[in-house]
Amino acid sequence: DTEVTQTPKHLVMGMTNKKSLKCEQHMGHRAMYWYKQKAKKPPELMFVYSYEKLSINESVPSRFSPECPNSSLLNLHLHALQPEDSALYLCASSQVPGGLHFGNGTRLTVT
Amino acid sequence: GNSVTQMEGPVTLSEEAFLTINCTYTATGYPSLFWYVQYPGEGLQLLLKATKADDKGSNKGFEATYRKETTSFHLEKGSVQVSDSAVYFCALDQAGTALIFGKGTTLSVSS
Repeated sequence: DTEVTQTPKHLVMGMTNKKSLKCEQHMGHRAMYWYKQKAKKPPELMFVYSYEKLSINESVPSRFSPECPNSSLLNLHLHALQPEDSALYLCASSQVPGGLHFGNGTRLTVT
Repeated sequence: GNSVTQMEGPVTLSEEAFLTINCTYTATGYPSLFWYVQYPGEGLQLLLKATKADDKGSNKGFEATYRKETTSFHLEKGSVQVSDSAVYFCALDQAGTALIFGKGTTLSVSS
């Protein structure tokens, strides 16, 4: 069982929809991450939060908006996405330094 | 910049065969090194790690040794099982922040 929980597991949305991905961890980790993974590719870093503050934004388009309400929660708000944004979105957490603990991801399809 | 290079495969083996997946890295200083495994439909799981030269990480019969002189962290297992079929990612973490992943190696084990 993963200690990082992501919801929903699957999401289908139209290009005009607004939706949110949610991530939760209770390991006391102070760094949380969003990654995007296309099929047969390694994960690509999108955002890093450290102590609830955004520390890295890898030039992600503004249609993706991260939010860290508290040390256990991480959201990714989606608006006006494109079909090419369809992918597996992975949340991870870590103690700094240390290996990342990943959730099972949200498989997003944009129609 | 920092980078990770791993054999891309696919690697196809019979059950009980010996496994090696090569991984080399480029980094300044002394990064931490990781192997992650991704089973179909799931997120990434930390398989093993090593934080300094000559460290050996091990888990579930898999091993990898941090070789600074050859900048390598090859993954090995003496006897693979069908359940080991997955994608394996080598990664490094130098600044204690986000990981840099290799492209991934698909392993397929048949009975």
